[in-house]
Amino acid sequence: EVQLLESGGGLVQPGGSLRVSCAASGFTFSSYAMSWVRQAPGKGLEWVSAISGSGGSTYYADSVKGRFTISRDNSKNTLYLQMNSLRAEDTAVYYCAKSPGTIAVKSYFDLWGRGTLVTVSS
Amino acid sequence: DIQMTQSPSSLSASVGDRVTITCRASQSISTYLNWYQQKPGKAPKLLIYAASRLQSGVPSRFSGSGPGTDFTLTISSLQPEDFATYYCQQSYSTPQTFGQGTKVEIK
Repeated sequence: EVQLLESGGGLVQPGGSLRVSCAASGFTFSSYAMSWVRQAPGKGLEWVSAISGSGGSTYYADSVKGRFTISRDNSKNTLYLQMNSLRAEDTAVYYCAKSPGTIAVKSYFDLWGRGTLVTVSS
Repeated sequence: DIQMTQSPSSLSASVGDRVTITCRASQSISTYLNWYQQKPGKAPKLLIYAASRLQSGVPSRFSGSGPGTDFTLTISSLQPEDFATYYCQQSYSTPQTFGQGTKVEIK
């Protein structure tokens, strides 16, 4: 079955760090760009970061640039988002999403995971 | 950044109604416009990509139009399972941006 499964969310204090993961199955992971999209409680969708299929190109929203790092391990079929210097406004459900091709730009998301909740609070 | 503005923010409709949601981009985005459906507590689901192309498995009552700056998502005959929030997304340039969402409620 083609699916994405996020993990690693939880409660973290402001200024803290957290790494969320997304395990992919049912497709050739390395052939597809991947992204992280977040949704604050009761709010809309916000694109956070994207990475090409090879991992050689990465992109970030201004709101997380310099604090978050996207990476992937194609041997483990896993996508990561390392989040540092977390702020209250980073509180959200974090979804991983697959693109239909290997390039991360000019793309849409044809498969989404269920999401993992990250709460930043003291 | 390209701003995406959806209208209306919410609407009430009955089963069988024809529903149209509009999405306006702050600049021309060609056909790099995608539509998603999200139900409460669930992940978004791709409905339409490239302005008018129906994603595999999506019912044909969903359709999209463009290109340029003004786009529409139309549901030709609203079904009970279509009550949800709909988002447009531009993929013309990074950062990819979403509209604020349109909630379709039961009348």
